[in-house]
Amino acid sequence: DSGVTQTPKHLITATGQRVTLRCSPRSGDLSVYWYQQSLDQGLQFLIQYYNGEERAKGNILERFSAQQFPDLHSELNLSSLELGDSALYFCASSVDQLAVYEQYFGPGTRLTVT
Amino acid sequence: GQSLEQPSEVTAVEGAIVQINCTYQTSGFYGLSWYQQHDGGAPTFLSYNALDGLEETGRFSSFLSRSDSYGYLLLQELQMKDSASYFCAVREEGGGFKTIFGAGTRLFVKA
Repeated sequence: DSGVTQTPKHLITATGQRVTLRCSPRSGDLSVYWYQQSLDQGLQFLIQYYNGEERAKGNILERFSAQQFPDLHSELNLSSLELGDSALYFCASSVDQLAVYEQYFGPGTRLTVT
Repeated sequence: GQSLEQPSEVTAVEGAIVQINCTYQTSGFYGLSWYQQHDGGAPTFLSYNALDGLEETGRFSSFLSRSDSYGYLLLQELQMKDSASYFCAVREEGGGFKTIFGAGTRLFVKA
């Protein structure tokens, strides 16, 4: 158990809908990262927050947005969902914004868009 | 930009030693990390090399050669539970602290 929690574990929704994925980092970690992993694919970096502020952005679609709250939990919002958005979404955390090399991953949220 | 290359699959027998290579191209370099991911599971951090040389952690070791832009993960005394995907990762220079992962190497351990 990495100490990172994610909810929900599974999510099934229809095209065009909007969903919110939630992540709580390990105790003491200030940095949160979001990743997308499609079937048999590698991890695609989406976005990083540090202590409430956006720090880095990857190939995150405009339909996706995220934020980190004062209590350090983070939410990833996915809207106008398409079939291709079906994937595993992982959240990871690290102690600070520079510790990108050592991240601790949550169990993931499996999103299925039908 | 950054790119990482690693073999897509490696097969080895229980008790053997296997090496998973990773070559990288980066505009700046801050070290190479390795992660393990079992099917349906989350990636777990294995090791990090910032400087040249070998880092040993139990049955797993990781090596880095900055001059060759190359690293490897060495798994010794292979066990069936080592069957998993292994990813190398680097931090991308510029525009924040993006982490770039390789496509992963799927390791099959046979009895």
